[in-house]
Amino acid sequence: KQEVTQIPAALSVPEGENLVLNCSFTDSAIYNLQWFRQDPGKGLTSLLLIQSSQREQTSGRLNASLDKSSGRSTLYIAASQPGDSATYLCAALRVGSDKLIFGTGTRLQVFP
Amino acid sequence: NAGVTQTPKFRILKIGQSMTLQCTQDMNHNYMYWYRQDPGMGLKLIYYSVGAGITDKGEVPNGYNVSRSTTEDFPLRLELAAPSQTSVYFCASGRDPGETQYFGPGTRLLVL
Repeated sequence: KQEVTQIPAALSVPEGENLVLNCSFTDSAIYNLQWFRQDPGKGLTSLLLIQSSQREQTSGRLNASLDKSSGRSTLYIAASQPGDSATYLCAALRVGSDKLIFGTGTRLQVFP
Repeated sequence: NAGVTQTPKFRILKIGQSMTLQCTQDMNHNYMYWYRQDPGMGLKLIYYSVGAGITDKGEVPNGYNVSRSTTEDFPLRLELAAPSQTSVYFCASGRDPGETQYFGPGTRLLVL
């Protein structure tokens, strides 16, 4: 059974720092891994989707990497801003499955 | 293009009451999903549908029912509401399980 873990559960950093959010999964037979952002009281917004054949994806200041052999994905946020404050969730789709398995999220606060 | 819409935004139910959470998408997506999110937890899949007339159980289906009579609509029915069903419910849709999911804004449900 696929389990997805995110550490740390919460993170508080000053504006301008580069930071890394971690996501671990137990089953390496994944089809893809996705990163989402959730603002308080809102739904999830997709940030990046990495296919199993890819090593990383980039969008603006965000870079997500995938290492299937170690069961890890990281989301790198460059030059963090207060507007980046939100909860970030990763989710893994196993090969042959219709269902995403979500991590519990990392709550990020970027203070001025 | 409204995306995924959910109604109501917030509802208080008494134990034993029933209600239907509405979800509509206008992107012509085949796949639709219902999740629940409890505080500090990731999303748990309740039910999902791969197309009109086809539904299947997710991880936590007990106490819920769904139907999918059209491509656009995927209502979630709660029968005999219980305090354990207090949660935030998210509906999502996608063209394919391997592609990104689009989420609605959520319905916050309190069962007292």
